[in-house]
Amino acid sequence: DIQMTQSPSSLSASVGDRVTITCRASQRINSYLNWYQQKPGKAPKLLIYATSSLQSGVPSRFSGSGSGTYFTLTITSLQPEDFGTYYCHQRATFGPGTKVDIK
Amino acid sequence: EVQLVESGGGLVQPGGSLRLSCAASGFTFSTYNMNWVRQAPGKGLEWVSHITSSSASIFYADSVKGRFTISRDNAKNSLYLQMNSLRAEDTAVYYCARDLGEAATGTHYFDPWGQGTLVTVSS
Repeated sequence: DIQMTQSPSSLSASVGDRVTITCRASQRINSYLNWYQQKPGKAPKLLIYATSSLQSGVPSRFSGSGSGTYFTLTITSLQPEDFGTYYCHQRATFGPGTKVDIK
Repeated sequence: EVQLVESGGGLVQPGGSLRLSCAASGFTFSTYNMNWVRQAPGKGLEWVSHITSSSASIFYADSVKGRFTISRDNAKNSLYLQMNSLRAEDTAVYYCARDLGEAATGTHYFDPWGQGTLVTVSS
Protein backbone atom coordinates (compact mmCIF):
# COMPACT_ATOMS: atom_id res chain seq x y z
CA ASP A 1 0.00 0.00 0.00
CA ILE A 2 1.10 3.56 -0.71
CA GLN A 3 1.92 5.65 2.36
CA MET A 4 1.69 9.42 2.38
CA THR A 5 3.72 11.69 4.64
CA GLN A 6 3.36 15.42 5.12
CA SER A 7 5.71 18.06 6.41
CA PRO A 8 5.69 19.99 8.52
CA SER A 9 3.13 18.45 10.86
CA SER A 10 2.27 21.95 12.04
CA LEU A 11 3.27 25.51 11.37
CA SER A 12 2.52 29.00 12.56
CA ALA A 13 2.75 31.86 10.13
CA SER A 14 1.78 35.51 9.84
CA VAL A 15 -0.85 37.03 7.59
CA GLY A 16 0.74 37.70 4.24
CA ASP A 17 3.37 34.97 4.54
CA ARG A 18 4.01 32.44 1.81
CA VAL A 19 3.33 28.94 3.15
CA THR A 20 4.38 25.65 1.57
CA ILE A 21 3.24 22.21 2.70
CA THR A 22 4.91 19.09 1.35
CA CYS A 23 3.38 15.67 0.69
CA ARG A 24 5.54 12.66 -0.15
CA ALA A 25 4.34 9.28 -1.41
CA SER A 26 6.13 6.03 -0.56
CA GLN A 27 6.18 5.14 -4.23
CA ARG A 28 5.74 6.96 -7.49
CA ILE A 29 2.12 7.92 -8.05
CA ASN A 30 0.39 9.49 -11.01
CA SER A 31 -0.42 13.17 -10.92
CA TYR A 32 -3.73 12.70 -9.22
CA LEU A 33 -2.83 14.17 -5.86
CA ASN A 34 -5.48 16.19 -4.08
CA TRP A 35 -5.46 18.68 -1.21
CA TYR A 36 -8.21 19.39 1.34
CA GLN A 37 -8.62 22.01 4.06
CA GLN A 38 -10.43 21.13 7.26
CA LYS A 39 -11.44 23.57 9.96
CA PRO A 40 -12.25 22.42 13.50
CA GLY A 41 -15.63 20.73 13.71
CA LYS A 42 -16.21 20.99 9.97
CA ALA A 43 -16.03 18.64 7.02
CA PRO A 44 -12.98 18.73 4.75
CA LYS A 45 -13.13 21.02 1.74
CA LEU A 46 -11.51 20.22 -1.59
CA LEU A 47 -8.92 22.84 -2.58
CA ILE A 48 -6.76 21.28 -5.30
CA TYR A 49 -7.30 18.16 -7.41
CA ALA A 50 -5.08 16.36 -9.90
CA THR A 51 -1.99 18.00 -8.37
CA SER A 52 -2.57 21.52 -9.67
CA SER A 53 -6.22 22.11 -10.60
CA LEU A 54 -7.97 24.67 -8.44
CA GLN A 55 -11.44 23.62 -7.32
CA SER A 56 -14.18 26.07 -8.25
CA GLY A 57 -14.61 28.83 -5.67
CA VAL A 58 -11.21 28.33 -4.06
CA PRO A 59 -9.08 31.51 -3.89
CA SER A 60 -6.22 31.73 -6.36
CA ARG A 61 -3.68 32.16 -3.55
CA PHE A 62 -3.84 28.36 -3.24
CA SER A 63 -1.79 26.38 -5.74
CA GLY A 64 -0.44 22.86 -6.09
CA SER A 65 2.47 21.30 -7.92
CA GLY A 66 4.62 18.22 -8.02
CA SER A 67 5.13 14.86 -9.66
CA GLY A 68 6.37 11.37 -8.94
CA THR A 69 6.59 11.14 -5.16
CA TYR A 70 6.89 14.82 -4.20
CA PHE A 71 4.02 17.30 -4.13
CA THR A 72 3.46 20.72 -2.60
CA LEU A 73 0.58 22.97 -1.64
CA THR A 74 1.42 26.67 -1.57
CA ILE A 75 -0.52 29.55 -0.10
CA THR A 76 1.04 32.65 -1.62
CA SER A 77 -0.29 35.18 0.90
CA LEU A 78 -1.70 33.62 4.05
CA GLN A 79 -5.06 35.04 5.16
CA PRO A 80 -6.71 34.84 8.61
CA GLU A 81 -9.32 32.41 7.30
CA ASP A 82 -6.67 29.93 6.11
CA PHE A 83 -6.20 28.38 9.55
CA GLY A 84 -7.00 24.70 9.77
CA THR A 85 -5.55 21.32 8.91
CA TYR A 86 -4.50 20.47 5.37
CA TYR A 87 -4.53 16.91 4.04
CA CYS A 88 -3.08 15.46 0.88
CA HIS A 89 -4.93 12.53 -0.69
CA GLN A 90 -4.42 9.98 -3.40
CA ARG A 91 -6.97 7.26 -4.13
CA ALA A 92 -7.58 5.46 -0.80
CA THR A 93 -4.85 7.17 1.21
CA PHE A 94 -4.76 10.43 3.09
CA GLY A 95 -1.69 12.12 4.48
CA PRO A 96 -1.52 12.67 8.26
CA GLY A 97 -2.28 16.38 7.96
CA THR A 98 -0.54 19.70 8.50
CA LYS A 99 -2.03 22.06 11.05
CA VAL A 100 -1.74 25.74 10.12
CA ASP A 101 -2.08 28.42 12.77
CA ILE A 102 -2.08 32.16 12.26
CA LYS A 103 0.41 34.08 14.40
CA GLU B 1 -27.20 23.48 -3.97
CA VAL B 2 -25.25 20.25 -3.92
CA GLN B 3 -25.67 18.73 -0.47
CA LEU B 4 -24.98 15.55 1.45
CA VAL B 5 -26.57 14.91 4.84
CA GLU B 6 -25.53 11.96 7.00
CA SER B 7 -27.62 10.41 9.73
CA GLY B 8 -27.78 7.29 11.86
CA GLY B 9 -24.81 7.79 14.15
CA GLY B 10 -24.96 7.22 17.87
CA LEU B 11 -23.68 5.22 20.81
CA VAL B 12 -23.41 1.46 20.33
CA GLN B 13 -21.84 -1.30 22.39
CA PRO B 14 -18.84 -3.28 21.13
CA GLY B 15 -20.05 -6.04 18.86
CA GLY B 16 -23.17 -4.11 17.95
CA SER B 17 -24.45 -2.82 14.64
CA LEU B 18 -25.41 0.51 13.18
CA ARG B 19 -26.61 1.70 9.79
CA LEU B 20 -25.57 5.10 8.50
CA SER B 21 -27.44 6.94 5.78
CA CYS B 22 -26.42 9.78 3.50
CA ALA B 23 -29.10 11.76 1.70
CA ALA B 24 -27.98 13.49 -1.48
CA SER B 25 -29.59 16.47 -3.16
CA GLY B 26 -28.80 19.08 -5.79
CA PHE B 27 -27.14 16.73 -8.27
CA THR B 28 -27.86 13.58 -10.26
CA PHE B 29 -26.90 11.09 -7.58
CA SER B 30 -27.17 8.06 -9.84
CA THR B 31 -24.30 9.22 -12.04
CA TYR B 32 -21.66 9.62 -9.33
CA ASN B 33 -19.47 7.21 -7.42
CA MET B 34 -19.60 7.72 -3.67
CA ASN B 35 -17.37 7.17 -0.64
CA TRP B 36 -17.40 6.91 3.12
CA VAL B 37 -14.49 8.48 5.00
CA ARG B 38 -14.07 8.52 8.77
CA GLN B 39 -12.14 10.54 11.30
CA ALA B 40 -11.43 9.29 14.81
CA PRO B 41 -11.49 11.97 17.51
CA GLY B 42 -8.43 14.18 17.17
CA LYS B 43 -7.05 12.07 14.33
CA GLY B 44 -6.70 12.30 10.57
CA LEU B 45 -8.89 11.14 7.73
CA GLU B 46 -9.29 7.46 6.85
CA TRP B 47 -11.01 6.28 3.68
CA VAL B 48 -13.53 3.52 4.48
CA SER B 49 -15.40 2.43 1.37
CA HIS B 50 -16.22 3.26 -2.26
CA ILE B 51 -19.17 2.33 -4.43
CA THR B 52 -19.59 3.02 -8.12
CA SER B 53 -22.66 4.75 -9.52
CA SER B 54 -24.40 1.52 -10.49
CA SER B 55 -23.12 -0.44 -7.47
CA ALA B 56 -21.19 -2.64 -9.89
CA SER B 57 -17.91 -2.19 -8.02
CA ILE B 58 -17.37 -1.88 -4.28
CA PHE B 59 -14.16 -1.49 -2.30
CA TYR B 60 -13.33 -1.45 1.40
CA ALA B 61 -10.42 -0.52 3.61
CA ASP B 62 -8.80 -3.58 5.17
CA SER B 63 -9.76 -2.27 8.60
CA VAL B 64 -13.49 -2.72 7.89
CA LYS B 65 -13.56 -5.49 5.29
CA GLY B 66 -15.97 -8.25 6.27
CA ARG B 67 -17.71 -6.08 8.86
CA PHE B 68 -19.01 -3.07 6.92
CA THR B 69 -21.25 -3.06 3.85
CA ILE B 70 -21.72 -0.07 1.56
CA SER B 71 -24.84 0.21 -0.58
CA ARG B 72 -26.93 2.80 -2.35
CA ASP B 73 -30.47 3.36 -3.56
CA ASN B 74 -30.38 5.62 -6.59
CA ALA B 75 -34.17 5.93 -6.61
CA LYS B 76 -33.98 7.43 -3.13
CA ASN B 77 -30.77 9.43 -3.73
CA SER B 78 -29.27 7.71 -0.73
CA LEU B 79 -26.01 6.08 0.30
CA TYR B 80 -25.72 3.65 3.20
CA LEU B 81 -23.10 2.05 5.41
CA GLN B 82 -24.10 -1.02 7.39
CA MET B 83 -21.63 -1.49 10.22
CA ASN B 84 -21.53 -4.81 12.09
CA SER B 85 -19.24 -6.24 14.76
CA LEU B 86 -18.32 -2.73 15.81
CA ARG B 87 -15.13 -2.15 17.79
CA ALA B 88 -13.91 0.70 19.94
CA GLU B 89 -11.50 1.67 17.17
CA ASP B 90 -14.46 2.30 14.85
CA THR B 91 -15.36 5.33 16.97
CA ALA B 92 -15.24 8.27 14.57
CA VAL B 93 -17.13 10.89 12.66
CA TYR B 94 -18.28 9.27 9.43
CA TYR B 95 -18.51 11.42 6.31
CA CYS B 96 -20.05 10.59 2.98
CA ALA B 97 -18.40 12.26 0.00
CA ARG B 98 -19.13 12.48 -3.69
CA ASP B 99 -16.36 11.20 -5.94
CA LEU B 100 -15.56 13.54 -8.83
CA GLY B 101 -12.86 11.30 -10.22
CA GLU B 102 -12.83 9.44 -13.50
CA ALA B 103 -12.78 5.66 -13.74
CA ALA B 104 -10.78 5.84 -16.98
CA THR B 105 -7.85 7.53 -15.22
CA GLY B 106 -8.29 5.92 -11.81
CA THR B 107 -8.61 9.32 -10.19
CA HIS B 108 -10.56 10.01 -7.05
CA TYR B 109 -11.24 13.37 -5.48
CA PHE B 110 -14.03 14.11 -3.09
CA ASP B 111 -16.44 17.03 -3.19
CA PRO B 112 -18.63 17.84 -1.45
CA TRP B 113 -18.55 16.14 1.92
CA GLY B 114 -21.46 15.84 4.30
CA GLN B 115 -21.33 17.34 7.76
CA GLY B 116 -20.59 13.95 9.29
CA THR B 117 -22.28 11.72 11.83
CA LEU B 118 -20.58 10.57 15.04
CA VAL B 119 -20.39 6.89 15.85
CA THR B 120 -19.26 6.01 19.37
CA VAL B 121 -18.51 2.39 20.22
CA SER B 122 -18.35 1.96 23.96
CA SER B 123 -19.79 -0.14 26.75
